[in-house]
Amino acid sequence: ETGVTQTPRHLVMGMTNKKSLKCEQHLGHNAMYWYKQSAKKPLELMFVYSLEERVENNSVPSRFSPECPNSSHLFLHLHTLQPEDSALYLCASSQGVAGGYEQYFGPGTRLTVT
Amino acid sequence: GQNIDQPTEMTATEGAIVQINCTYQTSGFNGLFWYQQHAGEAPTFLSYNVLDGLEEKGRFSSFLSRSKGYSYLLLKELQMKDSASYLCAVRPSPTDKLIFGTGTRLQVFP
Repeated sequence: ETGVTQTPRHLVMGMTNKKSLKCEQHLGHNAMYWYKQSAKKPLELMFVYSLEERVENNSVPSRFSPECPNSSHLFLHLHTLQPEDSALYLCASSQGVAGGYEQYFGPGTRLTVT
Repeated sequence: GQNIDQPTEMTATEGAIVQINCTYQTSGFNGLFWYQQHAGEAPTFLSYNVLDGLEEKGRFSSFLSRSKGYSYLLLKELQMKDSASYLCAVRPSPTDKLIFGTGTRLQVFP
């Protein structure tokens, strides 16, 4: 238990569906992240929020839409996804975005797009 | 470009010592992290190196040589529960994102 929770743990959705992934951190951290983890590929940073402001967006397709209503919650809204978007989506938080702050990861949502 | 290299897979025997190497070519260097990830679980933080030398934490140690762009994670007295993927990540500058390697999958056999 790392103090970062994610729901749902597993999600199967069709290409025309709309769904949202939720992340919550109970660590009092100021920064939150979304990562994508595909088989045999490095962890890929998607979005970073610091104090509820988006500070990084790594050229992610617009079918992924993040939302950070407060420093404890982070959402990833999904719509019209493609089969290649099937992956493990990991949320993480850290005390700050810079320097030696380690990131605490949630258990991930295993997404399958059919 | 930014590049992190790690072996894809390693095997070792329970009770033995294993060294997992990581080499990096990045635009700068502001710290290197090691994470452990068991199958189907979240990565968990193991160590952080920003200066050259060895950092020891129980059975796990991490070494850094900035001049060589090289780090290793040393696992001693291996246990079955150490079977996992080990991720190396580098931060090129204080404000840069972490760049992750593809991870090394370690299997420990009895």
